[in-house]
Formats: sequence, structure tokens, C-alpha cells
Amino acid sequence: SSELTQDPTVSVALGQTVSITCQGDSLRKYYASWYQQKPGQAPVVVVYGKNNRPSGTPDRFSGSSSGNTASLIITGAQAEDEADYYCNSRDSSGHHWAFGGGTKLTVL
Amino acid sequence: QVQLVESGGGVVQPGRSLGLSCVGSGFTFSAYPIHWVRQAPGKGLEWVAVISYDGSSQDYAHSAKGRFTISRDDSKNTVFLQMNSLAAEDTAVYYCVREITVTVTSRFDPWGQGTLVSVSS
Repeated sequence: SSELTQDPTVSVALGQTVSITCQGDSLRKYYASWYQQKPGQAPVVVVYGKNNRPSGTPDRFSGSSSGNTASLIITGAQAEDEADYYCNSRDSSGHHWAFGGGTKLTVL
Repeated sequence: QVQLVESGGGVVQPGRSLGLSCVGSGFTFSAYPIHWVRQAPGKGLEWVAVISYDGSSQDYAHSAKGRFTISRDDSKNTVFLQMNSLAAEDTAVYYCVREITVTVTSRFDPWGQGTLVSVSS
């Protein structure tokens, strides 16, 4: 079982804003990182830390964190954003790592 | 460019062993912890193991502890995952990833393309 909890499915209308959340006790101590995975491809980091984007990640992706919850926010979702999204952080022990169960994002 | 390339996957019978390799290039390999992450068919990502930048410490998921061993040879820019006593539930694509950590902020970047391990009789 995962120590990080995500909603399995989320949908958003094209051009609208969506938030994908990740909950876990370890998030009170460690920031989450977020990964996008499209079918048949390896995951790619899109947001990490307080609100950092690797070069190449569109600026419509952002992150936030409060208490035990981290959020990935897509402002103006595009069709190409349809994918599975996973959060990741160290677990409460600090020695192990955990992924959330993943959220399948559908862009309508 | 910065990249990781896995190899060694294949079909193996239950109870047998298999070794995976991960070769890094385009960065100072010896400066980074390296992890293995797996993904069973149609399932989510599962963290498996990590080795510290200098090889002095390793940590394992409960599902891997006692059966899997992670090691590294920085002269060859390579991390290994030796998997023993394999079972059907170990069937997955295995990815190696570089960990970049600054205080409490971490990310896995890049990811390799993955190597498929299939445990079947």
C-alpha cells in the first residue's frame, strides 16, 4: 500500500484549470515531486519542490503544498496533458521513498 | 545529454535470479544516488531500492528486502540490481533513475527507458 494517496481519476474541460492532489504524512516534512507518464513512455518530472519546473515543462504546470497535501495544478489544460500523474516523496522514515497510486487525467 | 540506459531484462522462471544494469552518461555519475523503480503491467509506479552516491548505504522497499541487492561501479558509471527468488509479482518494467536532492526538495531525473522483467514458468 502507498503512503501517498491520490484520486485515481480526474477530468477537466479543455482550457480549464485542474488540481491533482496527493496526501501523506511525510509531506509535512518533505516536498513532493510530480511525474507525467504517457502510454508506452517512461515518466518525466514536471514539477518538484515548493514550485519548481524543469526546463521544458510548460508554465501552465505549477505546484503547491499545505500541511499533508501537495497539489499539481494545470492552468488551461491542453489535450496533450492527458496522462497519468504520480506524486513522489520520501516516506515518514526518511529512508524509503513512496509513490502515490497515480491519477489518470482526462481532458474533455 | 544526460541519460540512463537499463539492460538485462528478460523472461525468467519463478525462483530463479536475474541481474539488471543501468549505465549513466552525460553527468558526474559518482555524485548522485541512483534508484530502481518498477511498474507492473497496467499498474502504478513502485519504488524498489536506492544506493547512495558513494555506495556506502542502500535502502530497499519491503517487497525487495532480502531478495534484491543494489550495487554500483562508478568506474563503469553503472548501477546493478541483483534479483533473487523471483516471483510472478516481480513482473514489471524496471526503471533506473537519478535522484537530485537539495535539502528537502528532491526529484527523479532522468528516467531510463526501462527494461522488462517477466517471471513465468
